[in-house]
Amino acid sequence: DIQMTQSPSSLSASVGDRVTITCRASQSISSYLNWYQQKPGKAPNLLIYTASSLQSGVPSRFSGSGSGTDFTLTISSLQPEDFATYYCQQSFSSPRTFGQGTKVEIK
Amino acid sequence: EVQLVESGGGLVKPGGSLRLSCTASGFTFSNYIMNWVRQAPGKGLEWISSISSSSTSIYYADSLKGRFTISRDNANHSLYLQMNSLRAEDTAVYYCTRAGPRGDYWGQGTLVTVSS
Repeated sequence: DIQMTQSPSSLSASVGDRVTITCRASQSISSYLNWYQQKPGKAPNLLIYTASSLQSGVPSRFSGSGSGTDFTLTISSLQPEDFATYYCQQSFSSPRTFGQGTKVEIK
Repeated sequence: EVQLVESGGGLVKPGGSLRLSCTASGFTFSNYIMNWVRQAPGKGLEWISSISSSSTSIYYADSLKGRFTISRDNANHSLYLQMNSLRAEDTAVYYCTRAGPRGDYWGQGTLVTVSS
């Protein structure tokens, strides 16, 4: 199975900050990388698919980049509703494995 | 609109069994790989099982040690997870997901609590 490693595991930031989360795959996954946001008590919500494509309805302050083994999720200006946990997921091969999550907390 | 609705969760004693169901709508169910993913309280997302569109390929996480069985009924747009010999560490929210080229769709999940 492909292992996905996210960093950091948590971060504290203020409203308006630029936030970057990284995800590394244990082997090349081309651009088959998704990003999800999860809030407490809710199912994960798709933000980004194929590394950089913004899901319909997702604010443009979210962006993704990368290919091969290294990927980044960026929130350009953190908003109060963005405080949540973020997960990467590879969709290159089955099983579609996840990173361990990054919790974004209020500073 | 794609919808996935899980059911069948609840409280079960250690060693007991439970069968989860997922009813799909808004897409051609028989065309898609389906998955079960779980999330233990306060923990991350854990993939546990996948089934191909025609049920010919089935995969399980090693951690399940043969206790769970995934199946599907394409005629009734349904996905199932039979869980046997349940343990406290199986306590989690169980999500049904549809794998797709533009990310996965998720149901809202069903809570399974294993406790005496």
